[in-house]
Amino acid sequence: NAGVTQTPKFQVLKTGQSMTLQCAQDMNHEYMSWYRQDPGMGLRLIHYSVGAGITDQGEVPNGYNVSRSTTEDFPLRLLSAAPSQTSVYFCASSYRVGRHNEKLFFGSGTQLSVL
Amino acid sequence: AQTVTQSQPEMSVQEAETVTLSCTYDTSESDYYLFWYKQPPSRQMILVIRQEAYKQQNATENRFSVNFQKAAKSFSLKISDSQLGDAAMYFCAYRRVGGGADGLTFGKGTHLIIQP
Repeated sequence: NAGVTQTPKFQVLKTGQSMTLQCAQDMNHEYMSWYRQDPGMGLRLIHYSVGAGITDQGEVPNGYNVSRSTTEDFPLRLLSAAPSQTSVYFCASSYRVGRHNEKLFFGSGTQLSVL
Repeated sequence: AQTVTQSQPEMSVQEAETVTLSCTYDTSESDYYLFWYKQPPSRQMILVIRQEAYKQQNATENRFSVNFQKAAKSFSLKISDSQLGDAAMYFCAYRRVGGGADGLTFGKGTHLIIQP
């Protein structure tokens, strides 16, 4: 059971380049989300999805796009990378959202540097 | 909006001693979850302990326990018999119940150093 898998683990981009951070989970989780972690800060929510075909914005969505075409995958797209997007990105998933919400499972993170 | 405050950027403790990490939060909700996550240098986010606000009993997981004071909106983590492997960043987090798709709200973290 792989859990939440993020690729790549490290990436360096030039300003203006685009790229997609991949996130896949094999636990049949309904809920998936993306966070970013900046130095001296806790994680902040970028986008989330409560099921295939449903996405919504979190606290810091600007500059990022997401889609959820399958239950398993939740890619995060940077259309035109900026130095302010240099951060560590975490994908997380859980079985469902609500009172009986299971714990959040985190991926191992992607370290992104934008030059 | 909810906020989570960790007032100790860094804490240091001798191996085998006890340390308490502080966390306060602000919310208008009456039902919610509180968490402590550990992030070692490997970067992995590891759930240490979880508390449901409607439960008065403080959560305990082996050497880790919390002091949950709902009226004071305080949620501290006590680590007993500290071990070298406990060295990490510790994040306090909040999540509301019933539509908590808006995710976790994290504090800025406390860097815990274990002195051998």
